[in-house]
Amino acid sequence: NAGVTQTPKFQVLKTGQSMTLQCAQDMNHEYMSWYRQDPGMGLRLIHYSVGAGITDQGEVPNGYNVSRSTTEDFPLRLLSAAPSQTSVYFCASSYSTGTDQPQHFGDGTRLSIL
Amino acid sequence: QQQVKQSPQSLIVQKGGISIINCAYENTAFDYFPWYQQFPGKGPALLIAIRPDVSEKKEGRFTISFNKSAKQFSLHIMDSQPGDSATYFCAGGISNYKLTFGKGTLLTVNP
Repeated sequence: NAGVTQTPKFQVLKTGQSMTLQCAQDMNHEYMSWYRQDPGMGLRLIHYSVGAGITDQGEVPNGYNVSRSTTEDFPLRLLSAAPSQTSVYFCASSYSTGTDQPQHFGDGTRLSIL
Repeated sequence: QQQVKQSPQSLIVQKGGISIINCAYENTAFDYFPWYQQFPGKGPALLIAIRPDVSEKKEGRFTISFNKSAKQFSLHIMDSQPGDSATYFCAGGISNYKLTFGKGTLLTVNP
């Protein structure tokens, strides 16, 4: 049971390049979220999904795009990378909205944009 | 923007001591308050969580105290151990997949 798997673990981009951060979970979780973590800022919600085909914006969605074509996968796209998007990105998933159901996090993608 | 304010930013405790981290929230619609523990290079992991209809929840050495009227909650780590050294985040949310996080507390437990 792999849990939440994020790839790549590290990436360096140039300003203006595009890329997709991959997130996959094998726990049949309906709910998935993307957060970014910056020093001294905690984690901030970018986008989330409550099931295949359904996504919505979080606190800091600008510059990011998501889709959810399957239950397992929730990729995050940077269309035109900017230095302000240098961050550590975490994907998370949960089985239901019940408060006894923990949100499982991946180990993150560390992204640097030059 | 609804915030969750967390203090202190960093905390140093001796082995065997009590670590206390405090959080305050603004959104009265929040009904789920988890604490996450994060080690370097890893994703956050759920430590303990509470709902506002309960004033205290204890799991082993970890206790959440919740004060609904003051909109505050805190994490107490009893008998702190060097292995507890990590960054701790409080959070609040209406559901477990749309969380607003505090900025984190770096806990160091000296042997």
